[in-house]
Amino acid sequence: DAGITQSPRHKVTETGTPVTLRCHQTENHRYMYWYRQDPGHGLRLIHYSYGVKDTDKGEVSDGYSVSRSKTEDFLLTLESATSSQTSVYFCAIEGSNTGELFFGEGSRLTVL
Amino acid sequence: AQSVTQLDSQVPVFEEAPVELRCNYSSSVSVYLFWYVQYPNQGLQLLLKYLSGSTLVKGINGFEAEFNKSQTSFHLRKPSVHISDTAEYFCAVSGSGTYKYIFGTGTRLKVLA
Repeated sequence: DAGITQSPRHKVTETGTPVTLRCHQTENHRYMYWYRQDPGHGLRLIHYSYGVKDTDKGEVSDGYSVSRSKTEDFLLTLESATSSQTSVYFCAIEGSNTGELFFGEGSRLTVL
Repeated sequence: AQSVTQLDSQVPVFEEAPVELRCNYSSSVSVYLFWYVQYPNQGLQLLLKYLSGSTLVKGINGFEAEFNKSQTSFHLRKPSVHISDTAEYFCAVSGSGTYKYIFGTGTRLKVLA
């Protein structure tokens, strides 16, 4: 158990509403990632963080923002959700000195 | 910039037959390479990784992969598959000195009885 939890696990929302997904870790790891998984696209990196207040964009960052005010929490925000953001979102943490990513159980977001 | 290509989106194979799942990468820096497996409705878990050293890497569940720098490949193999190996497999690359961790589009392995 890598000590990573995502919330909410399921969410249905309407186009134009803001949504925040939370990733919480108990391992005190420095690197955290947000991915989205869609059929035919695999996992695509949205944003990542290499420390408190240190974040950077991934492959598909448009329409998303992130914040990391504490080591243990990495928040993903959709300022104004669109139907194209319907997806399964995975948070991951990188194990120190191992290179391995540990994944949360995923958050399924449906935007109507 | 790094990228990963998994050419096969689906691979059907009969039980106890060998299988190879292909992965090619590109990167301007030295790389670390990984294979992950995802069972239905679950997150991903690590099968094996190449960080340095021997180019033949052994992982869990009888899988192995070989790092080939000249061909920029990291193909996954198993000599004899089981029904329980049915899952989606993802190749991933992380560049040395970077924080980005990029995944391929995945290969769905279906083992047939």
